[in-house]
Amino acid sequence: SQQGEEDPQALSIQEGENATMNCSYKTSINNLQWYRQNSGRGLVHLILIRSNEREKHSGRLRVTLDTSKKSSSLLITASRAADTASYFCATGSANTGFQKLVFGTGTRLLVSP
Amino acid sequence: SAVISQKPSRDICQRGTSLTIQCQVDSQVTMMFWYRQQPGQSLTLIATANQGSEATYESGFVIDKFPISRPNLTFSTLTVSNMSPEDSSIYLCSVAIGDRSTDTQYFGPGTRLTVL
Repeated sequence: SQQGEEDPQALSIQEGENATMNCSYKTSINNLQWYRQNSGRGLVHLILIRSNEREKHSGRLRVTLDTSKKSSSLLITASRAADTASYFCATGSANTGFQKLVFGTGTRLLVSP
Repeated sequence: SAVISQKPSRDICQRGTSLTIQCQVDSQVTMMFWYRQQPGQSLTLIATANQGSEATYESGFVIDKFPISRPNLTFSTLTVSNMSPEDSSIYLCSVAIGDRSTDTQYFGPGTRLTVL
């Protein structure tokens, strides 16, 4: 079943702008992961944040996690045309055996030159 | 990390036939996962494949329709049986690497299946 809802469903920005995507989930989690998918291909792992962490950075990516609100956000700074893709959050929890991920609905990001 | 390959990368099949998708990992892993992504949708877990035991299927998926093999720690197959156009999807395998509660999952490139 779908645990996560992501918003917006679609986001269109210009190169150089920042892009923020949000993910909400329903049950308690142990970790939350963000993935990128280009044109219906395989998923690329971007970042994992644990339930006891509040913020994590990786290059131009910044992820926050608010377990009290059951939500996470992914910020891509100084976006590039190559960032155009679909972005998914996925949660892992003890309820689902940790390793079984439940995916959000995804955000389609379009970055125009 | 893990490098995962899938075969075929895409296929167009006729209704009523079956297709077997292969997933190969460059390291030994205990658990492998198979997901389905219907057009324009997110990923849904089909089953978890452990080496040496029967696969565990999620609600809505059955072994007769999606038989899975896991002959060793680096390989798995998923068969989509008696296909219908509703089976047109991207099928992805994945593996989890790391400590149990903080596993990172790595995905294969996917198999794009079109059923006519």
